[in-house]
Amino acid sequence: KAGVTQTPRYLIKTRGQQVTLSCSPISGHRSVSWYQQTPGQGLQFLFEYFSETQRNKGNFPGRFSGRQFSNSRSEMNVSTLELGDSALYLCASSEWDRSNTEAFFGQGTRLTVV
Amino acid sequence: AQSVTQLGSHVSVSEGALVLLRCNYSSSVPPYLFWYVQYPNQGLQLLLKYTSAATLVKGINDFEAEFKKSETSFHLTKPSAHMSDAAEYFCAVSERAGGSYIPTFGRGTSLIVHP
Repeated sequence: KAGVTQTPRYLIKTRGQQVTLSCSPISGHRSVSWYQQTPGQGLQFLFEYFSETQRNKGNFPGRFSGRQFSNSRSEMNVSTLELGDSALYLCASSEWDRSNTEAFFGQGTRLTVV
Repeated sequence: AQSVTQLGSHVSVSEGALVLLRCNYSSSVPPYLFWYVQYPNQGLQLLLKYTSAATLVKGINDFEAEFKKSETSFHLTKPSAHMSDAAEYFCAVSERAGGSYIPTFGRGTSLIVHP
């Protein structure tokens, strides 16, 4: 079974631009979550999608948005990039509605904002 | 609300020595607990998970963790450290919220292994 795939692996963007990151979950997994990882803040939850609906959202500004498609693939978008958005963005997928199921993570997208 | 505290942002051990990474959690309901490992520029990989079947949980690469409800702890141990164990380790707690099970992660502990 293929793992979680995130594209691209690395991105360099300029302040003010927008960026779209992609995540393909493990086949059969309907829940996709996004995390931002920085040295200062650690792993912070952005949002979770299930069956094309956002079920949970973390404490991030509206510049951060996401969506999920019918095949469970997900994208996240960051508009009006700021230097502080530089981070490793991780996507995780899991089976739905199972309390003890673990999240399977992709390798992440390293975003650098200059 | 659930939270996770990992004591020590860095732990340094010699190769062959015991590894002990500490994790304490707070949760209003019986939790589901996980340990993940992250190598540089990689995603997180599950080491082990507590599913209430047994308090002592064995994971990959000889890691194990013991769930102690009275101490609200889930410390990770390994009898003998290898150089390849050098990585970032994250403890996570998951409980049901709004129909989902969203894990909350600790800040992570960087394991340094000296030759």
